[in-house]
Amino acid sequence: EAQVTQNPRYLITVTGKKLTVTCSQNMNHEYMSWYRQDPGLGLRQIYYSMNVEVTDKGDVPEGYKVSRKEKRNFPLILESPSPNQTSLYFCASSLSGTGPGNTIYFGEGSWLTVV
Amino acid sequence: GNSVTQMEGPVTLSEEAFLTINCTYTATGYPSLFWYVQYPGEGLQLLLKATKADDKGSNKGFEATYRKETTSFHLEKGSVQVSDSAVYFCALSHSGGYQKVTFGTGTKLQVIP
Repeated sequence: EAQVTQNPRYLITVTGKKLTVTCSQNMNHEYMSWYRQDPGLGLRQIYYSMNVEVTDKGDVPEGYKVSRKEKRNFPLILESPSPNQTSLYFCASSLSGTGPGNTIYFGEGSWLTVV
Repeated sequence: GNSVTQMEGPVTLSEEAFLTINCTYTATGYPSLFWYVQYPGEGLQLLLKATKADDKGSNKGFEATYRKETTSFHLEKGSVQVSDSAVYFCALSHSGGYQKVTFGTGTKLQVIP
């Protein structure tokens, strides 16, 4: 079954404590991306990756890092989380980007609370 | 830049009522258009899509037509069910150098028996 898997699904952490949200896809997709969802703002892109070792900033990259060492994995790293990073995070992937013909698949989301 | 505007919610309908959720977009080039649905406590699921002008996407009784002349992609369903209660997101995808999907703010639909 085609899947984008995120972990953890729910996390409460404290300000400044480094955390990583993992994302894995089993579809051999080249494109992967992270979004955050906030009330009244919809989903906003944090970072994306077009292939291994290729990453680019999205609209709201501040406070986040990513890496793409393997094609299937695209972890999101919060080096020093702050309360304004409390949000619902989604990982997404597609075969070759967001151009015509591509279907973007989303994970189930990770609820992150920073206190 | 590219943007998506969709109607504010929440929208409350009785079962079997007709549904329209308006969506308009601003984009350069020829984006693909999508409707995603988010059921309570779940992630985003692709509901339907259209990749060029005049295309009609359809799934589970929902339909939307890509109207380039009015830059719209309104979601419709002839008879909603309680199980359709969810948040609906209109979105467009970019091609070329900036690979992302731009989402609207979402419209919450509540269907009452």
